[in-house]
Amino acid sequence: AQSVTQLDSQVPVFEEAPVELRCNYSSSVSVYLFWYVQYPNQGLQLLLKYLSGSTLVKGINGFEAEFNKSQTSFHLRKPSVHISDTAEYFCAVTQGTSGTYKYIFGTGTRLKVLA
Amino acid sequence: DSGVTQTPKHLITATGQRVTLRCSPRSGDLSVYWYQQSLDQGLQFLIQYYNGEERAKGNILERFSAQQFPDLHSELNLSSLELGDSALYFCASSVDGIRTDTQYFGPGTRLTVL
Repeated sequence: AQSVTQLDSQVPVFEEAPVELRCNYSSSVSVYLFWYVQYPNQGLQLLLKYLSGSTLVKGINGFEAEFNKSQTSFHLRKPSVHISDTAEYFCAVTQGTSGTYKYIFGTGTRLKVLA
Repeated sequence: DSGVTQTPKHLITATGQRVTLRCSPRSGDLSVYWYQQSLDQGLQFLIQYYNGEERAKGNILERFSAQQFPDLHSELNLSSLELGDSALYFCASSVDGIRTDTQYFGPGTRLTVL
């Protein structure tokens, strides 16, 4: 079964500093990977997704992620964070076959941007 | 605003009771998903419907059931409620219900069981 590991439960970072949120997955088959963001008291919103092709994926709000098959990772990065990036970030992978699948979410990483 | 609506926003009830959570997907989306988010379990996939038919099942308890109606709205029924059912319940929708779809999440219903 596929699984997703987000090793960091909390990441504090100063405003305008770079940040990397780590995500590792386990799978023996091809995967589709997603990063979602959850702002306080809101639902989840897609940041970016990797389906195929270029391993560097660009998303909204200046975020990008790199798919690394050999390291089974899909880390999320932003070169310069803003206070408004304070939120919880979830990595997810789909499990199953097309037409009958489910998302497996990581436990989330709480990003706290400090002034 | 994702276009997915959920009602009610908050629900407070007692153990042993039954509640119904409602979700309206984005216009044009045929698939609906239900998730439970709690502090101890994280975000758990419960069930997916596509155009009225159940498509995938996750960690949904037997006390819980769901359905998707012809107008594509969905309801999640939770019965014999326990304290541990207190959580945020999200509905999401997508166009085709396939692996590559982006899911659009509603704002959630916060259920408190006393």
